[in-house]
Formats: sequence, structure tokens, C-alpha cells
Amino acid sequence: GESVGLHLPTLSVQEGDNSIINCAYSNSASDYFIWYKQESGKGPQFIIDIRSNMDKRQGQRVTVLLNKTVKHLSLQIAATQPGDSAVYFCAERGTSYDKVIFGPGTSLSVIP
Amino acid sequence: NAGVMQNPRHLVRRRGQEARLRCSPMKGHSHVYWYRQLPEEGLKFMVYLQKENIIDESGMPKERFSAEFPKEGPSILRIQQVVRGDSAAYFCASSPLGTVQETQYFGPGTRLLVL
Repeated sequence: GESVGLHLPTLSVQEGDNSIINCAYSNSASDYFIWYKQESGKGPQFIIDIRSNMDKRQGQRVTVLLNKTVKHLSLQIAATQPGDSAVYFCAERGTSYDKVIFGPGTSLSVIP
Repeated sequence: NAGVMQNPRHLVRRRGQEARLRCSPMKGHSHVYWYRQLPEEGLKFMVYLQKENIIDESGMPKERFSAEFPKEGPSILRIQQVVRGDSAAYFCASSPLGTVQETQYFGPGTRLLVL
């Protein structure tokens, strides 16, 4: 079946360093990928998305890379700040309206 | 520009009681999705609704769970005869048209605790 999984469940980063969160997906038919940030006690917050016809997309301090050959997705956060501490989920959607399928999440902890 | 609203934020029920969770989508959004999140886990899809229609309920447990999105008013996720295993955070999300290219915006969630 479909699955989205993460390589690292936890990540600790020094403030100011760059963070890289990785994600593997197994459904090659998925054509839309999203990264969400979830702070404690809150709902997931959209960070950035990428469609399967792209391999890189940049936002403010964040970059998402998509490697369809190995079905790998990554989120890069530049100059990580304490406010970036949260759980990050990669997610995928199929080719229809489809529901969002979430991975298990990576907890990012920023060390001041 | 209010986002997705959910209430209550916290709900405590005893085993066997009913739980009703409400979700008001963002203004202009007519598509609602419900997800469940167990502690230390990702969100799991439950059901997708449009106004007065259930489009996909493949993630809903077969018994005790139901959802609706009436023409007027919020979407309701109803859990009858709750059990301890129903304790979780329940999130709803909304989107304007329900297409793949749209972002789903999430509410703050309802945290259900079954005693």
C-alpha cells in the first residue's frame, strides 16, 4: 500500500545552522508533496509544497527537494531558529482529489 | 480572515458516552477533511466531505463513527459509545474546491480524552 516515511525521527540542530529533514515515499503515482510543521498543541501548518514535475522549490528560508528516481523528499531550513522547533511531517497526495497521506513525523529541536 | 475553527478544543468523555466534534471551514471553502492523530504519530485520514455529501470515508472505523457536513452549519464528527482507544487529537482541514493542487488548511484540533 501507500506509505510515507521519515528516515530520522528526531533531529537536534544548533541555532543558526541549517537543518535537513528527509522523507521517503513509496507511491510512485503521487504527484504532489507537502511539508507541514506542527507545534505542540496546534494543527499542522503548511510550509511548502512541490509537484512531481519539479525537483526543487524554494520559499522563505526553506527549500524542498524532490528526487523521484529514489522517491525521496527533503526539507532544508536555512539558519534554523528556536521558533523552528516543532514536528515536521512530509505528506503526499495522489492524482485525484485525494486525501493527504502523512508520514510519521520528525521532531526538530533547536539548541540556542 | 478566520482560519479553520474547531470546537471544543478539549473534550473529556467517559466510556460509553458520545462525542461530537465540530469544524467550521475557512470562508469560501466547501470541502472538509477529518484526520485523527494518536500521540507520537502522524495524522491519519478519516473522511472527506463536501456540503451534504460524503465523498470518501475509507478511513472511518466501520462502527460508532459518523460524519456530516450539512448545507448550513459546521461539519460534525460524531463518535458514539466512546472507548479509551478513541482518545486522540482530531483535526479537520478545508480547501476551496478539493483539487489535488490545493493546500488543505488545518484547524487547531480537538483533543478527546476518554476516561
